[in-house]
Amino acid sequence: AQSVAQPEDQVNVAEGNPLTVKCTYSVSGNPYLFWYVQYPNRGLQFLLKYITGDNLVKGSYGFEAEFNKSQTSFHLKKPSALVSDSALYFCAVSYGNNRLAFGKGNQVVVIP
Amino acid sequence: GAGVSQTPSNKVTEKGKYVELRCDPISGHTALYWYRQSLGQGPEFLIYFQGTGAADDSGLPNDRFFAVRPEGSVSTLKIQRTERGDSAVYLCASSPRASYGYTFGSGTRLTVV
Repeated sequence: AQSVAQPEDQVNVAEGNPLTVKCTYSVSGNPYLFWYVQYPNRGLQFLLKYITGDNLVKGSYGFEAEFNKSQTSFHLKKPSALVSDSALYFCAVSYGNNRLAFGKGNQVVVIP
Repeated sequence: GAGVSQTPSNKVTEKGKYVELRCDPISGHTALYWYRQSLGQGPEFLIYFQGTGAADDSGLPNDRFFAVRPEGSVSTLKIQRTERGDSAVYLCASSPRASYGYTFGSGTRLTVV
């Protein structure tokens, strides 16, 4: 069965420091992986996806993610965090009929 | 419209009542999905439409939940005999086809009291 693990409930980082949000996955077949961000009282906004090709994927707002097949990971990264990056981040994996299985989410707090 | 529109944004209902939640997808998007997000959790898949038909309803939790998309555009999620455990944010998403990645609406926050 497919699943996504986001091991940390909350990630605290100082503004200007690198930000990493961890994600590991389990799925049969080729993994199609996604990151979404959710601001308070808002829907999910797409950040980036990995379907095939280069393991380093670049997305919106300066975010990127690295696909590592041997470690079954898809960690989200940003070289220099902004206060406005404070939000809830979800990792997801696609399975049959293009459904998404989401992790429980990570709250990111960027400290000024 | 420019995005996926969901109405109402908030709904408070009494236990046992019937509710309808509406989703208006991006024009021309043939694929439509419903998800449910409980407090502190990631969204969970409910049902997927390709055009007018429900291609996959394996995520519906029980027969109190039903969804329709009669003309292949607007979809309505219907919940009968609501229970307090149905309280959650119900999210709708659409895509041009069953492609990877889709656009979510802002959701309907349902509270059953």
